Amino acid sequence: EVQLVESGGGLVQPGGSLRLSCTASGLTLTNHWMTWVRQAPGKGLEWVAYISPDGNTIHYLESVKGRFTISTNNAENSLSLQMDSLRAEDAAVYYCARLRSITTWDLWGQGTLVTVSS
Amino acid sequence: QSALTQPRSVSGSPGQSVTISCTGTSSDVGAYNFVSWYQQHPGKAPRLMIYDVNKRPSGVPDRFSGSKSGNTASLTISGLQAEDEADYYCCSYAGDYTYVVFGGGTKLTVL
Repeated sequence: EVQLVESGGGLVQPGGSLRLSCTASGLTLTNHWMTWVRQAPGKGLEWVAYISPDGNTIHYLESVKGRFTISTNNAENSLSLQMDSLRAEDAAVYYCARLRSITTWDLWGQGTLVTVSS
Repeated sequence: QSALTQPRSVSGSPGQSVTISCTGTSSDVGAYNFVSWYQQHPGKAPRLMIYDVNKRPSGVPDRFSGSKSGNTASLTISGLQAEDEADYYCCSYAGDYTYVVFGGGTKLTVL
């Protein structure tokens, strides 16, 4: 079965760091564009970052530039999102998803919850 | 405030049709045919229902259809069924700076 599984969420204080992972089974992540999308509690969806299959093309939501880093790990067949200098407004469920085109995300993980609070 | 405007809620009875609108600008919905629609049930991950304005992925019932006119995209669900009750989000490509924008979501209630 093809699936994505996120992990790494949790409670972190403002200004702290967290690293999210997205592990794939049934597909090779580095053959696909991948993305992170987040959803604050009770709110709508918000795109966060993209990465190309070769890792050379990366784009970020303006509000996370310089704080978040998206990357892939070939050996582990995983996608990561390193989140630094976290703010209260970053609190959300974070989903990883596979891209078919820039707005066509056809495979999603179940999400991992990030809480930013003191 | 979301970049794309959707009605907060719509409703319909089983068997009826409903249309959800998604209004953007000439910089996003009006400029590109990269408009997608996602269905999300409570506590679940989003599911792709429509992509590239009017294309349906395999496995999505043909009761779901998409269209676009000017700066407004629409999702129509015909022959409403109880399992269609969910939140629906539109999203659009918005150029090589903003990249992707979403609507605020529409809660569909099947009466």
